This record gives sequence, structure tokens and C-alpha cells, in this order.
Amino acid sequence: QQQVKQSPQSLIVQKGGISIINCAYENTAFDYFPWYQQFPGKGPALLIAIRPDVSEKKEGRFTISFNKSAKQFSLHIMDSQPGDSATYFCAASRQYNFNKFYFGSGTKLNVKP
Amino acid sequence: DAEITQSPRHKITETGRQVTLACHQTWNHNNMFWYRQDLGHGLRLIHYSYGVQDTNKGEVSDGYSVSRSNTEDLPLTLESAASSQTSVYFCASSESIWDGYTFGSGTRLTVV
Repeated sequence: QQQVKQSPQSLIVQKGGISIINCAYENTAFDYFPWYQQFPGKGPALLIAIRPDVSEKKEGRFTISFNKSAKQFSLHIMDSQPGDSATYFCAASRQYNFNKFYFGSGTKLNVKP
Repeated sequence: DAEITQSPRHKITETGRQVTLACHQTWNHNNMFWYRQDLGHGLRLIHYSYGVQDTNKGEVSDGYSVSRSNTEDLPLTLESAASSQTSVYFCASSESIWDGYTFGSGTRLTVV
């Protein structure tokens, strides 16, 4: 049973467009929601994270939108660039515990020039 | 610069053989982890350690073991490799969840 469901599995966006990746969860005890970015041949790296006491967090072109009532959160990449082409993982954890930390299945983003 | 390194990068082994994957970090992080990455499953936690002599089972620990004799290293051992263990394995370390994981570059293991 997957704790965090991520969609779509793959995404193609034109340069300058908006990339949107969605995640949903069931466990209302989750209280930390990070996104990780992974380039081919590399390990994932923390991109941006949010706690459920805010509905949105923005860092540069990357924004997390959080809907606590719907138990959904999403990553928006504005003005998408070819360099953003990577696999993105959402994740959720309970009480900041490493052993209660669950990744989504990943979205492969391809930004075409 | 501090880093986390995994070796080997690629490994092919036969069913039933014991295999050990190495992970070495110079971040001086107490927390270390092993994940496996499979298409459609994302990353799943195999084992983790909060410090020397501490080891804990994760979500998919069957068939794997770890040991922690110092801060820098957390080797992952597959006791008797099975084809279902063909995967990409990532080692990670972290100071806290807020700081995020620092992942190695991965080991691609193929069990034939």
C-alpha cells in the first residue's frame, strides 16, 4: 500500500511552460512534505519542503501548493527550463521521523527547448 | 568537501551469492540510510542507523543486513542474492529531516 500517490508518471512541457506534479496522501498524521529532484545517474536532492500550517511555499521558480482538507500537495515549476528535466519525488513523513518517511513513485519531467 | 560515496557503481552477481555494497560519508552525520529505487515504487527504506552500533529495519528489510561500527560507514549486505533484489541502491545520510537527505550516486545491482 503506497503511502503517497504521485502523478503523472511522466510529463513533457515546452520551455517556458508550467510543470505541475501532484501528490495525494491518506494519513492525516503526516506533517512534513518535501520534494526531491533527481538527475540521471545521481541521487535525489532536497528541492523544497512545506509543513501543513501553510498553504503555499515558493522558492524561485518552484512552488509547493498544499491543500490539507483534500490531503493533496503539488509542485509547480514556473518558466520551465531544459535544465529542469529530471525525476521529481514527493514525500511525506510523520513527526519528523526518518522511519515514517515515504516517497512517491516519481515523475519524469522532460522540458523541450 | 564533505561527500557520500558508494561502491561499486555497478555490480552483477549470481543468485545465492552474498554481496556487500559500501557506503562512506564524510559529513559526520549520525543518521545513515539505505534505500532501493524501483520503477513505479519510488524509493523504499531498507535499513537505517541513528549512530554507531545502532541499526534498524525499514519497510523492505527482508534479505538485507547492515552494521555500523563507525560514524562514516554503513555497508549493506545481501545474505543470499535473489533476482527480486535487482535494483538501484542508494545510501544517504542526514543531520535532520529538515536538512534533507544527502544521497550517494547509487549502486546498480543486477542479480542473474
